[in-house]
Amino acid sequence: AQSVTQLDSQVPVFEEAPVELRCNYSSSVSVYLFWYVQYPNQGLQLLLKYLSGSTLVKGINGFEAEFNKSQTSFHLRKPSVHISDTAEYFCAVSPAGHTGGFKTIFGAGTRLFVKA
Amino acid sequence: GAGVSQSPRYKVTKRGQDVALRCDPISGHVSLYWYRQALGQGPEFLTYFNYEAQQDKSGLPNDRFSAERPEGSISTLTIQRTEQRDSAMYRCASSPRTSKPYEQYFGPGTRLTVT
Repeated sequence: AQSVTQLDSQVPVFEEAPVELRCNYSSSVSVYLFWYVQYPNQGLQLLLKYLSGSTLVKGINGFEAEFNKSQTSFHLRKPSVHISDTAEYFCAVSPAGHTGGFKTIFGAGTRLFVKA
Repeated sequence: GAGVSQSPRYKVTKRGQDVALRCDPISGHVSLYWYRQALGQGPEFLTYFNYEAQQDKSGLPNDRFSAERPEGSISTLTIQRTEQRDSAMYRCASSPRTSKPYEQYFGPGTRLTVT
């Protein structure tokens, strides 16, 4: 079974400052890792994903994340945030490979609040 | 093109009533997922379909919950004899390929309130 822990429930940050949203996971099998963003009254949108290969993954809107297998982490970063980045961010994991099934396990979410 | 749509967007029902939540996936998407999201939590997997076949229903909390996708397109999640603990946002997602389940496109959700 897999689990995901998002270490911060809320992260306030000033506009143009850097931000890191932390995510740790546990799993007994290889996994795929994801970050989703949810804007108010909208569905979840995939920001980026790690499947294999390079541990630094770049996504949309200037976000990137780094997979660290030894620390079982997949932290999300952005060097300079905008007001429009205010949203809820979810880290998620699913078993890698077809035989692992299709369940995606989500963390509880981190609310990013960007202040002017 | 149109994204995933869900209806109704809001549903208030009395305890003990049955409710049916509808998901209309992106045209041509073969996989469809249902999730439940409680306030302050991430989405929780309920069940998923490939075409019309229900592949995994292990996330359904009990036998009051059921889902179907009879023609491999629109899906309905039914909750019988609703209870207050069923109040949550119910989300649907669709995926264009069975081999890439991570390509999930989410709908806006149905917020269910059981009074």
